[in-house]
Amino acid sequence: GEDVEQSLFLSVREGDSSVINCTYTDSSSTYLYWYKQEPGAGLQLLTYIFSNMDMKQDQRLTVLLNKKDKHLSLRIADTQTGDSAIYFCAESPISGGYNKLIFGAGTRLAVHP
Amino acid sequence: GAGVSQTPSNKVTEKGKYVELRCDPISGHTALYWYRQSLGQGPEFLIYFQGTGAADDSGLPNDRFFAVRPEGSVSTLKIQRTERGDSAVYLCASSSTQGSWTEAFFGQGTRLTVV
Repeated sequence: GEDVEQSLFLSVREGDSSVINCTYTDSSSTYLYWYKQEPGAGLQLLTYIFSNMDMKQDQRLTVLLNKKDKHLSLRIADTQTGDSAIYFCAESPISGGYNKLIFGAGTRLAVHP
Repeated sequence: GAGVSQTPSNKVTEKGKYVELRCDPISGHTALYWYRQSLGQGPEFLIYFQGTGAADDSGLPNDRFFAVRPEGSVSTLKIQRTERGDSAVYLCASSSTQGSWTEAFFGQGTRLTVV
């Protein structure tokens, strides 16, 4: 079955880079996502990557995908206090034909001065 | 409305009672999803609607849970004989088509507490 795992907590200094890691198990072609959840706010899609890609960059965000190891990472450059939140990795197998998301437990990012 | 709207935002109910949670998707979105997020966990898929029909209800935990979308817009998640283990945030999401890559927009959720 599908499973997504992430480390639970990351603490970084403001201005440093943050790297949040995730592993997934689905072996079929899939979309992989990073969502951000702040207290009192809904889930916000940050970025996504298709499983035939190796990397995607979007402003301060860089997603790296290692298909062999089924390992996904999200790098946030120049981390700011506003980046403090819970970050969820999710996958959605395309075989289903619809966007059924399987989430990890989330990584809590704490940014300190 | 501009986004996915869920009501109520908070619901406290006694064990054994019946509750209904409402989701208003973004206008025109044909796909609608319900997820449940327990404390300290990621959201877990419950059910997917395409139009009025439940195309995938494999995530519903048992027959106490039921969802409808009679006119292909608003959806209601219904929980009978609530149990303390049902306490969680229930999230609704909608997307414009059913395709694998279409962004799903999430509401802010309904926090259900069963006492």
